[in-house]
Amino acid sequence: KNQVEQSPQSLIILEGKNCTLQCNYTVSPFSNLRWYKQDTGRGPVSLTIMTFSENTKSNGRYTATLDADTKQSSLHITASQLSDSASYICVVSSFPGGSYIPTFGRGTSLIVHP
Amino acid sequence: DGGITQSPKYLFRKEGQNVTLSCEQNLNHDAMYWYRQDPGQGLRLIYYSQIVNDFQKGDIAEGYSVSREKKESFPLTVTSAQKNPTAFYLCASSIISGRGDTGELFFGEGSRLTVL
Repeated sequence: KNQVEQSPQSLIILEGKNCTLQCNYTVSPFSNLRWYKQDTGRGPVSLTIMTFSENTKSNGRYTATLDADTKQSSLHITASQLSDSASYICVVSSFPGGSYIPTFGRGTSLIVHP
Repeated sequence: DGGITQSPKYLFRKEGQNVTLSCEQNLNHDAMYWYRQDPGQGLRLIYYSQIVNDFQKGDIAEGYSVSREKKESFPLTVTSAQKNPTAFYLCASSIISGRGDTGELFFGEGSRLTVL
């Protein structure tokens, strides 16, 4: 069964600090991995996508890494801001044939305090 | 602006009543989806549709129904048969694979249903 595990479940940091969120997966066949940001009471929005051949990808203060051998990904947030407070969801997609099938993690809830 | 519009944002329902959540998209996407989100859980797929007049059950379809009469619209009805309907419902759309698609889901703003 395809699974995506995220850690920590929740995280509280001070504004300006860095943090790293983790995602481990057992999804086969692997196609890509996305990190979504979901503000409270809103829909998720894609931050970044990683394919098998990519190790690192940045989107502003967000940097995602992927180790396809160990099936792990991380999302690093640099110089956190209050607006970074949200849930971050790791989604790993397989493509067995015809269409993408996403498997969702439960998300990491990040709270940034002033 | 192109996007997905869900309505209503908040909805209260008495037990035994059916309610319909609206989802409209102007992204010209072929595929549309309904997900349910509960606290501490990942998104769970209720129904999805890849073409007009066709839809498939997801992992938790019991107590729900959908229709896809137009490409732009994919309403979800929460019936009285759904035993625990209080949740946050998310509609999403995507391009059909094989046309430059990477599997990205575009989500609406969600509808929060509370059963009184």
